[in-house]
This record gives sequence, C-alpha cells and structure tokens, in this order.
Amino acid sequence: ETGVTQTPRHLVMGMTNKKSLKCEQHLGHNAMYWYKQSAKKPLELMFVYSLEERVENNSVPSRFSPECPNSSHLFLHLHTLQPEDSALYLCASSQGLGQTTGELFFGEGSRLTVL
Amino acid sequence: GDSVTQMEGPVTLSEEAFLTINCTYTATGYPSLFWYVQYPGEGLQLLLKATKADDKGSNKGFEATYRKETTSFHLEKGSVQVSDSAVYFCAMSDTGRRALTFGSGTRLQVQP
Repeated sequence: ETGVTQTPRHLVMGMTNKKSLKCEQHLGHNAMYWYKQSAKKPLELMFVYSLEERVENNSVPSRFSPECPNSSHLFLHLHTLQPEDSALYLCASSQGLGQTTGELFFGEGSRLTVL
Repeated sequence: GDSVTQMEGPVTLSEEAFLTINCTYTATGYPSLFWYVQYPGEGLQLLLKATKADDKGSNKGFEATYRKETTSFHLEKGSVQVSDSAVYFCAMSDTGRRALTFGSGTRLQVQP
C-alpha cells in the first residue's frame, strides 16, 4: 500500500466512449502526476500538477484531459481515444517538484484497452 | 535533451547469481539518480537513490554508485532471489525539471 489509489484498475472502451481515470493520494503531498507506460518504452510523463495548478503538459493530445480539483485528487478524462492509447496509466504524487522531489509514490495503475 | 538509457531485457538469471543492470544518463545539470522497481501487478516503488557524484545508494541487497565521469548508475546485487523478479527502472531528476525522467525498464526473471 503506497498511499496512492487508482480506479478503475482495468478499463476497456471503444473509440467513441468517454471515460475517466481517478487517482487519490492519502500522503498529504502537493504534487501529482500522470505517466503513460507502454511496453518497451520509457515511462512518458503526461501531466504535472502542483498545488492543483497544472505546471507541465508534455504535448499530450487533447483527447486526454486532466483535472485536479484539490491536492488529493487527480482525474484523467478520456474521449475519442485511439487503439494506440492502450497502455498502463500511472498516477504518482510527491512532496515537491523537480530536484526537491526525491521520491515519487505510484499507484498500481489503470490498464486501459481501446478497441 | 535529458534522457536515461537502460539495457534491454529480459535478463534471466538463476537464483544466487550476480546481477548487473546498466543505466546511463544524459543531463545538462547535476541530477539525482534513482532506481525504481515494479513487481507484477503493482505500481513503481523506490528501490534506492543517490543525490551526488560518488554516492552509493543501497537497499534490500541492491547497490548503485553515482559515477559522474561515466554518467552511469548501474544496479548490482550479489545474489538474486526468485522474489527479485520484477521490472527495474532507472530514473533521474534534474534542476529545472518538474518530474523524474525514466528509462524504458529492464525485466529481470530469476529462476529457481
């Protein structure tokens, strides 16, 4: 138990569906992240939030829409996805950003399959 | 740009064998370096870290030394166990970066 909970653990959706991934952290951290994990590729940073403000968006397609309503919750809204978006989406949190981060705490991930 | 390169896997070893997983990095500043481990069905968790040159991080029998001259942070363990089977990720943070940069991961399979 890392203190970061992701739901759902598995999601199958069609290309025209709209769904959301949820992440909640119980660690009192002030930064949250979305990473995409695809086979044989480096983890791809998608979004970074610090104190509920988006501080980085790594050229992610607009079909992925993040939301951070408070420092404990992070969402990733999905719409009109493509099959190549199938991957494991990992949420993480940390006490600070950048060099002060030190350690990221990850959830178990949401396995997304786009048909 | 900043990047982390790891040896490709899978790495398959017998129990009690010696393990080395290579990691090199490219950075403009002086990064902190990390190894994360991902066990089957779980998220990543920090294994060890080093924050400056010549530092050695260690945990659970694993070690890695921050080598600035070779820009490397190789992971080693003297005697692996079946329970060490997992995917290992090398990562770095750097001045000005807002998050960690990860390598592609190396899968380790330890056979009894």
